[in-house]
Amino acid sequence: NAGVTQTPKFQVLKTGQSMTLQCAQDMNHEYMSWYRQDPGMGLRLIHYSVGAGITDQGEVPNGYNVSRSTTEDFPLRLLSAAPSQTSVYFCASSSEQLAKNIQYFGAGTRLSVL
Amino acid sequence: KQEVTQIPAALSVPEGENLVLNCSFTDSAIYNLQWFRQDPGKGLTSLLLIQSSQREQTSGRLNASLDKSSGRSTLYIAASQPGDSATYLCAVSVVGADGLTFGKGTHLIIQP
Repeated sequence: NAGVTQTPKFQVLKTGQSMTLQCAQDMNHEYMSWYRQDPGMGLRLIHYSVGAGITDQGEVPNGYNVSRSTTEDFPLRLLSAAPSQTSVYFCASSSEQLAKNIQYFGAGTRLSVL
Repeated sequence: KQEVTQIPAALSVPEGENLVLNCSFTDSAIYNLQWFRQDPGKGLTSLLLIQSSQREQTSGRLNASLDKSSGRSTLYIAASQPGDSATYLCAVSVVGADGLTFGKGTHLIIQP
């Protein structure tokens, strides 16, 4: 089973460049979310979605944009990358209400912004 | 704001020992608490989920307990093995909040 798939696994950007981190799940989960993980800090919620066409902001949404056109996909967009966005990004999905069930995580995208 | 603390930050023990990882949280109004395992360069794998109405969950050599009133959870690993070496993360879902609130993790090394 593929589960939650994130691409790319690694990316290096220059300041000001834009890119999209891809996330896809094949479990028909309604709930998907994006987290970032930084050294010395716990994972922090960026954006989340409770279903196709519905998105909302998490704890650290600034500089990121999301959309949810299908149940399967939940891309994260960086419109103008900044060094502060250097981090490891994780996508997660769950079958029930976002906070109430087991979260399945992707393998992560490691992003460096120079 | 919910804060999650994990103690110790790092732990190294010989193979075969039983060990306990600790997690504490400041707001007892939670839906559940999850323990995750993270291997270097990899994603998170959910190990155990304890609903707020439950006291403990068991899976194989792992046992997680929850004392919601005191804001504490423990992850007990029996007969540790080198393959248990990883970072263990504790996360809670807070009533009225979005997503999960994570601790910083315990980096565990099991010496062969």
